[in-house]
Amino acid sequence: EDQVTQSPEALRLQEGESSSLNCSYTVSGLRGLFWYRQDPGKGPEFLFTLYSAGEEKEKERLKATLTKKESFLHITAPKPEDSATYLCAVQAAETSGSRLTFGEGTQLTVNP
Amino acid sequence: DVKVTQSSRYLVKRTGEKVFLECVQDMDHENMFWYRQDPGLGLRLIYFSYDVKMKEKGDIPEGYSVSREKKERFSLILESASTNQTSMYLCASSGMHQGFTGELFFGEGSRLTVL
Repeated sequence: EDQVTQSPEALRLQEGESSSLNCSYTVSGLRGLFWYRQDPGKGPEFLFTLYSAGEEKEKERLKATLTKKESFLHITAPKPEDSATYLCAVQAAETSGSRLTFGEGTQLTVNP
Repeated sequence: DVKVTQSSRYLVKRTGEKVFLECVQDMDHENMFWYRQDPGLGLRLIYFSYDVKMKEKGDIPEGYSVSREKKERFSLILESASTNQTSMYLCASSGMHQGFTGELFFGEGSRLTVL
């Protein structure tokens, strides 16, 4: 059974204070690992896809990295508008289509 | 821009009522999904569909059914609502060319309360 575990559950940062979110996964053959952002009262919004260990993707203050067992979402000099819940998801190699398994998310709060 | 529209943002229903949650996407996507989201449990897949009139069970299909009569519309049906179905329901879609990118397009969600 595919499993995704995110830590911490919640993270509170001061503006400008860099940190990382963790996503550990267990999957029988990884097809892809995905990061989403979810604002309160909204549906998740796609951020990144990572396919293989060593791969990195960047978008503004966010950088996602991938190893064989986990992924990190690094947030550099965050701003209050980065406050959201960040979701990690995986797709196993044997699944068809776009079926994903999600983690529970990390709720990030950035204080001004 | 892709738009996934869920018909109701907030619903309050009574135990035993039949509930319909409607979802429409405007990008001609083949794949459509229904998830529910609960605190501490994350997003869990209820049902998905790869094509019109096709459906497959997700991880938690019990107590739910779905209908996809048209490509753009995917409905979630609670035949007899129960209090443990109180949740946020999220619809999502993706195209075949996005099958391996992981990019699902989500609606804004329907918050269902069953009394």
